[in-house]
Amino acid sequence: GAGVSQSPRYKVAKRGQDVALRCDPISGHVSLFWYQQALGQGPEFLTYFQNEAQLDKSGLPSDRFFAERPEGSVSTLKIQRTQQEDSAVYLCASSLSGDTIYFGEGSWLTVV
Amino acid sequence: GENVEQHPSTLSVQEGDSAVIKCTYSDSASNYFPWYKQELGKRPQLIIDIRSNVGEKKDQRIAVTLNKTAKHFSLHITETQPEDSAVYFCAAMKTSYDKVIFGPGTSLSVIP
Repeated sequence: GAGVSQSPRYKVAKRGQDVALRCDPISGHVSLFWYQQALGQGPEFLTYFQNEAQLDKSGLPSDRFFAERPEGSVSTLKIQRTQQEDSAVYLCASSLSGDTIYFGEGSWLTVV
Repeated sequence: GENVEQHPSTLSVQEGDSAVIKCTYSDSASNYFPWYKQELGKRPQLIIDIRSNVGEKKDQRIAVTLNKTAKHFSLHITETQPEDSAVYFCAAMKTSYDKVIFGPGTSLSVIP
C-alpha cells in the first residue's frame, strides 16, 4: 500500500478485555516498530521486528503485551486484560532503509 | 539506554519570526537524528533528518544543526507561518535497523 495502515483506528475496551491491534507496513519494508503515545507525550518504544524476527521487546510494559509478525509483513500487537493505564495511541512504523521510519495513523485505545 | 531531552516544551512565536527547538542525547554512539512534526490527531511525519557525518542541513525554511561533541542538535524554522503550528519531536538512533528514541516534544504555536 501507499502508507502504513493500522486497524482499528479507534477501540473502546472494557477493563479486563483483550484487544488486538493490526499493522500493515509499507510493502517491502523490512523493519517494523510499535510505539505507545500517551496524551501530550512523545512516542515511547515498545518493540521492533526485522522481518519476522522480534529483535527488541524491551519497551513492552508488562507481560500482558505481546507482538508478533509471523510472515514478516503484517504485525499484531495484543494486549491482554486491559487496564486504564493502557489507554493511549498505539503507533506502528516501518522502515526500508533501516533509519527513516514512517508512521501509521495509529490505533486510539480507550479502556473504560 | 539512549535518553533524548527536548526544550522548550512549549513555544509561541509571532508569524514571520524564527523558532528554535533544542535537543540533547545521552548515547555518543547515536548517529542518526530525525525530526518529526505531529499535527493534532495525526501521525508524526518526518520533516528533516541529519546524520553524524554532517554538521548542518537545510531544506527551505527548516534547518537542523548537530554538535556531536556536545551531544546537542537543534531545529530552526525561519519565517514561521500559522501552518507550522504543531508538536515537534526530535529523535536519535544508534545504528541502522535499530530503534528510534524520541524526545518529549515541543508544542509550537505561531500567532498570526
